[in-house]
Amino acid sequence: AQSVTQLDSQVPVFEEAPVELRCNYSSSVSVYLFWYVQYPNQGLQLLLKYLSGSTLVKGINGFEAEFNKSQTSFHLRKPSVHISDTAEYFCAVRSNNNDMRFGAGTRLTVKP
Amino acid sequence: DAGVIQSPRHEVTEMGQEVTLRCKPISGHNSLFWYRQTMMRGLELLIYFNNNVPIDDSGMPEDRFSAKMPNASFSTLKIQPSEPRDSAVYFCASSPLPGTNNSPLHFGNGTRLTVT
Repeated sequence: AQSVTQLDSQVPVFEEAPVELRCNYSSSVSVYLFWYVQYPNQGLQLLLKYLSGSTLVKGINGFEAEFNKSQTSFHLRKPSVHISDTAEYFCAVRSNNNDMRFGAGTRLTVKP
Repeated sequence: DAGVIQSPRHEVTEMGQEVTLRCKPISGHNSLFWYRQTMMRGLELLIYFNNNVPIDDSGMPEDRFSAKMPNASFSTLKIQPSEPRDSAVYFCASSPLPGTNNSPLHFGNGTRLTVT
């Protein structure tokens, strides 16, 4: 079965600084990769997804992620963060067995 | 599009009581998922359905937990009897077309369950 590891449980960063949230996955088959964001007291919202093709995918709110098959990684990046980006971010993997597995989450805190 | 609708938003109950959580998936979505979120364990997949049929319930923690999907527009997650360690936020999610594994999941806003 596939699994996801998010290497950082918390990432504090100052406003307008760049940020990278790390994600590694393991799977014996082809996978589809996703990043979700969760704001307080809300469900998860899709940020972006990698299905195939270009390894650099762009999502909403200025986020992007790069799929690296050799390193089995799918790190999320944003060149300049805002206070409003403070939230919990989840990496997820889905494969041919249809279920979706999530990482433990990374809490991004953007400070003024 | 109303999105995935969960009810209630909050549930507080006493240990030993039966709890029923409800979910209405997005119309036309054929896959439905139940997740549990806690600080200690993160997001755990409990069970998922394709075309109203349970496919994998290996994440259901105990026999006290049961889930049903009587039709394409409704699912329930029941805990009987409830225990304090069941306290968590329970999310329902749906996605289109079983077998289309590249589809993202659409989440409801969750039910926050507190068992005292």
